[in-house]
Amino acid sequence: DAGVIQSPRHEVTEMGQEVTLRCKPISGHNSLFWYRQTMMRGLELLIYFNNNVPIDDSGMPEDRFSAKMPNASFSTLKIQPSEPRDSAVYFCASSFGQLNTEAFFGQGTRLTVV
Amino acid sequence: AQKVTQAQTEISVVEKEDVTLDCVYETRDTTYYLFWYKQPPSGELVFLIRRNSFDEQNEISGRYSWNFQKSTSSFNFTITASQVVDSAVYFCALSEDPNTGGFKTIFGAGTRLFVKA
Repeated sequence: DAGVIQSPRHEVTEMGQEVTLRCKPISGHNSLFWYRQTMMRGLELLIYFNNNVPIDDSGMPEDRFSAKMPNASFSTLKIQPSEPRDSAVYFCASSFGQLNTEAFFGQGTRLTVV
Repeated sequence: AQKVTQAQTEISVVEKEDVTLDCVYETRDTTYYLFWYKQPPSGELVFLIRRNSFDEQNEISGRYSWNFQKSTSSFNFTITASQVVDSAVYFCALSEDPNTGGFKTIFGAGTRLFVKA
């Protein structure tokens, strides 16, 4: 299996622009998570989906952030409009089952908003 | 509310030394899960171990070992005979009973380990 695939690996954008991050989870996994990692705040859970349904989005920082999972093999995290403080590494992770199994992480997208 | 504390921000050791990374957690649930992940310089997070709250047996995997003690709410990680390739940030994480706390996994702040040759 190719693992969790995220794209792009790096994104540099200007403040105010829309940014879309993409994730393909491991086939067969039914839970998907979006995390953000910064030096100041560490790893923060933004949102997670179970069976394509958003279960908890309480970690999404603002209305500028939105996430979708139209099917079991694809998810997006969108920031519109982007701001410099959104600069971070964004990780997507997937897992199987509902028994708090281990999550498999993608390689992350390093976002820089200038 | 759940909380994971990794009090050691950075640790530096010389190769072949043993090193223990501390993890203390807080939860009100009786059923919960603890994890350790490794983040090498390349940036990805790699799963190391998962332990549920009913299994207090210590575990050993090669040079890695884990000591789970519910009495002190700790889940410490020891690397024996450390190697330069062990240099990474190590995260402890806690996930509560999905029937009450949902599927959230909360990560500690991480401990950066430097192993010098």
